[in-house]
Amino acid sequence: GQQVMQIPQYQHVQEGEDFTTYCNSSTTLSNIQWYKQRPGGHPVFLIQLVKSGEVKKQKRLTFQFGEAKKNSSLHITATQTTDVGTYFCAGEASSNTGKLIFGQGTTLQVKP
Amino acid sequence: ETGVTQTPRHLVMGMTNKKSLKCEQHLGHNAMYWYKQSAKKPLELMFVYSLEERVENNSVPSRFSPECPNSSHLFLHLHTLQPEDSALYLCASSQGASAYEQYFGPGTRLTVT
Repeated sequence: GQQVMQIPQYQHVQEGEDFTTYCNSSTTLSNIQWYKQRPGGHPVFLIQLVKSGEVKKQKRLTFQFGEAKKNSSLHITATQTTDVGTYFCAGEASSNTGKLIFGQGTTLQVKP
Repeated sequence: ETGVTQTPRHLVMGMTNKKSLKCEQHLGHNAMYWYKQSAKKPLELMFVYSLEERVENNSVPSRFSPECPNSSHLFLHLHTLQPEDSALYLCASSQGASAYEQYFGPGTRLTVT
């Protein structure tokens, strides 16, 4: 079945350093979404990418969707302590069933 | 955030008990979902309902039984659970079943003893 792999599983950075998490799907995706889950919280939607090669920015966050629509990345510039949490990518297969397959998540710790 | 509410927030039940989890969305969405989140595992999609019809049943054991009486409410009926079913159960909703952002509830932390 469809799998979505996400790396790294954990990342510890010093405040001000950059951070990147990568997501790879075993199958072509119709779209990919990114969510953030704070400790003790629930996933919160960040963004959706639909087009091949798409790049979107939200302040210090940059999201990319690969040309083949099988991989994606989230890059945070100059991390802050408020960035702490687990970042999940979630891909929907091209069959558009509404079935999101989540990656394992990358847990980011930021040292002040 | 009160768009998606879940009750109870915490539940401890024995393996022979029957309980139900409730989810309610106040966003006017047409699709609702149940997810299971266990430690060190990705979110697992359990069920998808679109316009009150189940459109996805992700090979979930029959001891989990969903019910969607209307587009605003979703239940997960539990019976004869196993300790490995202990997890955070998250409900989500979206405007439609495909290519829409999902709004998650706070979850029910379930412990099976």
